[in-house]
Amino acid sequence: DVVMTQSPDSLAVSLGERATINCKSSQSVFYSSNYLAWYQQKPGQPPKLLIYWASTRESGVPDRFSGSGSGTDFTLTISSLQAEDVAVYYCQQYYRTPPTFGGGTKVEIK
Amino acid sequence: EVQLVESGGGLVQPGGSLRLSCAASGFTVSSYWMHWVRQGPGKGLEWVSRIHSDGSSTSYADYVKGRFIISRDNPKNTLYLQMNSLRAEDTAVYHCARGGESSGYWSFDLWGRGTLVTVSS
Repeated sequence: DVVMTQSPDSLAVSLGERATINCKSSQSVFYSSNYLAWYQQKPGQPPKLLIYWASTRESGVPDRFSGSGSGTDFTLTISSLQAEDVAVYYCQQYYRTPPTFGGGTKVEIK
Repeated sequence: EVQLVESGGGLVQPGGSLRLSCAASGFTVSSYWMHWVRQGPGKGLEWVSRIHSDGSSTSYADYVKGRFIISRDNPKNTLYLQMNSLRAEDTAVYHCARGGESSGYWSFDLWGRGTLVTVSS
C-alpha cells in the first residue's frame, strides 16, 4: 500500500497567519495528474473534501485554501487562518488501490 | 438536500455480524461509485470498500476481504455493508462516502456523519 506521511502532527497558528501542512507519499502518485486529495475534519463532523488532483479546489471552498506539489511531496496552505479553520486535515492518495490517508494534522489557534 | 445518513451500528461480540445502512437523498446512489470509510477511536481514516456505479464491481481492503460485503438497493437509494466475523480491531465509526466524479471516483466528495460499531465482549 502507498503510505502517506503528514507533518507536523499539529500546529498552532495565529489568526490571519499562514498555516502549512506537508504530505509525503511512499511512491509517486503522478500519472498525467497528481492523484492527491485534501480533507478537513472539524470536531464531531465527517471529513469534507477541500482539494483534489493536488491543487483543484472543491466547489465552495474558500480560496485561502490551496494545494501544491507533485510526485511524492505535497502541501496544503491556508493563507490567512480563520477561527473556523480549526480542524484536523488529512491528505489522501487515490493513485493506487487501496486509497490511503495520512495520519492527520491538527490545526489550532495560537 | 444532498446527504448521506448511516445507521445500524452498535455493540457486537467478537465473531458477530452487523449490517450497516446508508440512506442517500438528493442524488441517486446508482449513478456514483459509493464507498465505506472507517475511523477507529483516536485513529485516522481507513478505506474499507467500494461499489461501482453499475453495481457489477466491488472491491475491499485486505483487512475486511472475505468478511464484509458491500451492496446497494437502487429503489431504496441505499448502500449497505454486511459485516461478518467481526474483530475488536473493526471497532470504528463507519462513514459512507460518495466517489467524486471530478476526481476519478476515488476521492470522496460527500460523507455521512457515520455510525459507531463497537466490537467487544
